[in-house]
Amino acid sequence: GEDVEQSLFLSVREGDSSVINCTYTDSSSTYLYWYKQEPGAGLQLLTYIFSNMDMKQDQRLTVLLNKKDKHLSLRIADTQTGDSAIYFCAEIDSNYQLIWGAGTKLIIKP
Amino acid sequence: DAGITQSPRYKITETGRQVTLMCHQTWSHSYMFWYRQDLGHGLRLIYYSAAADITDKGEVPDGYVVSRSKTENFPLTLESATRSQTSVYFCATGGLAGADEQYFGPGTRLTVT
Repeated sequence: GEDVEQSLFLSVREGDSSVINCTYTDSSSTYLYWYKQEPGAGLQLLTYIFSNMDMKQDQRLTVLLNKKDKHLSLRIADTQTGDSAIYFCAEIDSNYQLIWGAGTKLIIKP
Repeated sequence: DAGITQSPRYKITETGRQVTLMCHQTWSHSYMFWYRQDLGHGLRLIYYSAAADITDKGEVPDGYVVSRSKTENFPLTLESATRSQTSVYFCATGGLAGADEQYFGPGTRLTVT
């Protein structure tokens, strides 16, 4: 079946850029998503990209999609302490269900 | 306007007991979902519902029962709780396809002893 994989942890210094990577298996995915989960809270949609796009930028966030390699990345510029969270990658499968990665915990070092 | 709420937020129960987790939304979204979140597994879909009286299994439905008699409520019942069902449970509402966002509740932390 479809699978979405992410590293479990990423540690960066405050002010640096964070790059969170994700690989997926379903080449027919139309949308790919990044959700953010802050401690003790539910998930919130951060951004998404349509499969016919290579890049999407929204303020400090840049999403890159490499369809050939089935690789999705989320870059957070000028990482702040408020960016500490778990970031989930997800894709839509052929049944229109979200397939979730395990989440990457972003740790900010001062 | 609370949006989506879950109750209880924390629950400790014993093996074999029946437990019901409640989910309520005020938006009238058609779709509702139940996920469990476990370390290293991310989110796994238990059940979802496309509308009142329409429910379908997700990835890990065994041991769970859902109902949706009203659009705004989507309770999840563990018929006979097991330790492997210790988890954080999230209810979500929203779209199923396209770029429709899913809106998540705050979660219920369930411990089965």
